[in-house]
Amino acid sequence: GAGVSQSPSNKVTEKGKDVELRCDPISGHTALYWYRQSLGQGLEFLIYFQGNSAPDKSGLPSDRFSAERTGGSVSTLTIQRTQQEDSAVYLCASSLRMLAGGTGELFFGEGSRLTVL
Amino acid sequence: KQEVTQIPAALSVPEGENLVLNCSFTDSAIYNLQWFRQDPGKGLTSLLLIQSSQREQTSGRLNASLDKSSGRSTLYIAASQPGDSATYLCAVRGRVETSGSRLTFGEGTQLTVNP
Repeated sequence: GAGVSQSPSNKVTEKGKDVELRCDPISGHTALYWYRQSLGQGLEFLIYFQGNSAPDKSGLPSDRFSAERTGGSVSTLTIQRTQQEDSAVYLCASSLRMLAGGTGELFFGEGSRLTVL
Repeated sequence: KQEVTQIPAALSVPEGENLVLNCSFTDSAIYNLQWFRQDPGKGLTSLLLIQSSQREQTSGRLNASLDKSSGRSTLYIAASQPGDSATYLCAVRGRVETSGSRLTFGEGTQLTVNP
């Protein structure tokens, strides 16, 4: 696609439910990132995928959070047993691999706004 | 651990003014620095990217500079317009071998340009 696509754009759920957020990166971009932006806060790194390498999961806030990337393209961020503090905008970004000549410029999607009641 | 600070947190100017947004970072061993714009309820739009070997980048009315040794970058906006009103974010990418490949973001500067 022309840009990074995220779905759903908005999700309202009840505390304790599981949610899945989807990201479709720019075609050809091997690097994919998930960030979280809480109200009035900066962007918080969650997880990074690069090709077939093991992902950098060091930013995931708890074991309720997980992410996968199938076939090196689409990624899904899953939050289990959601809590009210999980309410935030979840942003996905992609870039070309830097070591393959890419500049590392990051392109973001519009985000998925999650509200946990 | 890399820390990125943006000053001021908010700025309100009349239309037509030239303005400067500031970004500072604590670890000068960076790969690149990227400036973004975020409109309310939207994602981030890339404005300018400066590689660590570069001193500045220009796009239209925007000019971004980088002084790696002092840990500073500035975003200069010439002849500001109401449509420039948004939050401007600075993000630093560390060197892959020391910090993986993540970007560290500042808290942003909320800019309002009044007609």
